[in-house]
Amino acid sequence: DIVMTQSPDSLAVSLGERATINCKSSQSVLSSSNNKNYLAWYQQKPGQPPRLLIYWASTRESGVPDRFSGSGSGTDFTLTISSLQAEDVAVYYCQQSYRTPETFGQGTKLEI
Amino acid sequence: QVQLVQSGAEVKKPGASVKVSCKASGYTFTAYYIHWVRQAPGQGLEWMGWINPDSGGTNYAQNFQGRVTMTRDTSITTVYMELSGLRSDDTAVYYCTRGENTGRKAYWGQGILVTVSS
Repeated sequence: DIVMTQSPDSLAVSLGERATINCKSSQSVLSSSNNKNYLAWYQQKPGQPPRLLIYWASTRESGVPDRFSGSGSGTDFTLTISSLQAEDVAVYYCQQSYRTPETFGQGTKLEI
Repeated sequence: QVQLVQSGAEVKKPGASVKVSCKASGYTFTAYYIHWVRQAPGQGLEWMGWINPDSGGTNYAQNFQGRVTMTRDTSITTVYMELSGLRSDDTAVYYCTRGENTGRKAYWGQGILVTVSS
């Protein structure tokens, strides 16, 4: 199984400041057939299902504010929130869908 | 609009089985796989497997092999997930989500809390 490891486990950032969450996979999730990384980022608030933010490592989902961005390739990925807003307080997960079983990182709790 | 509407909360005793549903609407039901993901209280997300609503083919995570069965009824655009031999650590919120070839999972059900308790 591909193990996804996020860092840090929790993070406190001031309003308006940058937040950076890292995700490392135990194997590459880059497909050689289409040169796409099968890595997604989700945001989850209490009592809600996960919300897709980013897929293919860096493609922002429709309706997601442009302060959210994803980067990285192969085994190392980053989610960046450029200017933290109060509504961004949540737990963030990375997930690989390159191989089954699909696997998630353990989550990063983001606080103000 | 795409919607996945799940059935209501369940309370089961250890050793029992639970069958939950996920009704899809707003898109061609057979065009997209449905995945199941669960989340124990205060814990992270765990992928359980997928079903291809077109063929009925399935792919289950090893952790659930032998205990999970995913089925579908195309006439009512509904997918089912049955988990048997329930244990207390199966207490969780169970989500269905529509998967795409990109890995994109933009649509999720509201979740079903399954509580396993004697």
